[in-house]
Amino acid sequence: DTGVSQNPRHKITKRGQNVTFRCDPISEHNRLYWYRQTLGQGPEFLTYFQNEAQLEKSRLLSDRFSAERPKGSFSTLEIQRTEQGDSAMYLCASSPGGIRFQETQYFGPGTRLLVL
Amino acid sequence: AQSVTQLDSHVSVSEGTPVLLRCNYSSSYSPSLFWYVQHPNKGLQLLLKYTSAATLVKGINGFEAEFKKSETSFHLTKPSAHMSDAAEYFCVVTPSGTYKYIFGTGTRLKVLA
Repeated sequence: DTGVSQNPRHKITKRGQNVTFRCDPISEHNRLYWYRQTLGQGPEFLTYFQNEAQLEKSRLLSDRFSAERPKGSFSTLEIQRTEQGDSAMYLCASSPGGIRFQETQYFGPGTRLLVL
Repeated sequence: AQSVTQLDSHVSVSEGTPVLLRCNYSSSYSPSLFWYVQHPNKGLQLLLKYTSAATLVKGINGFEAEFKKSETSFHLTKPSAHMSDAAEYFCVVTPSGTYKYIFGTGTRLKVLA
């Protein structure tokens, strides 16, 4: 299967701990996106990359959050000093990277984070 | 700021009857609009997208949506619901000049036997 993959699928952690999630996009997709989805809500944009460059960050992405895409392939999202409010589904998506804004994003299955 | 409003948080239909999921958008420009479906424990899947080529857009699994500029709407329809259509549906807009998605709050579709 050549879809977007995310690891781990589930993560339970204690408040104050650091967590890191990984996203592997569809091969040759230049753009990679992170979203956060809380219960009963639609996904909210966090950040996106064009190759290795992080081009846009949401105000939702506090100083405790950092995302990287070091070689323009996979990406990691790290949350430091987790809080209970960070409990959510973290979604990754990728798109080919064309010039048109109607580009389709392909989503992974998500990583569900529970902070105790 | 561009946004979408999904008018119903829950919709229930009987199997074999039509489905209508409503979405209104706010935009100063011609928007890029999408509908995605999310089944439990599965990733978001694209149903269809509006690319300004045609106002009536056909998608997968018999779904279609009509872009109506005068009403700023992009409602999703299907002539006959199937049990497998039960899921959460999201209307999405891409703000002008950016590639990120702005999601609506979602509509949970329930299909009754």
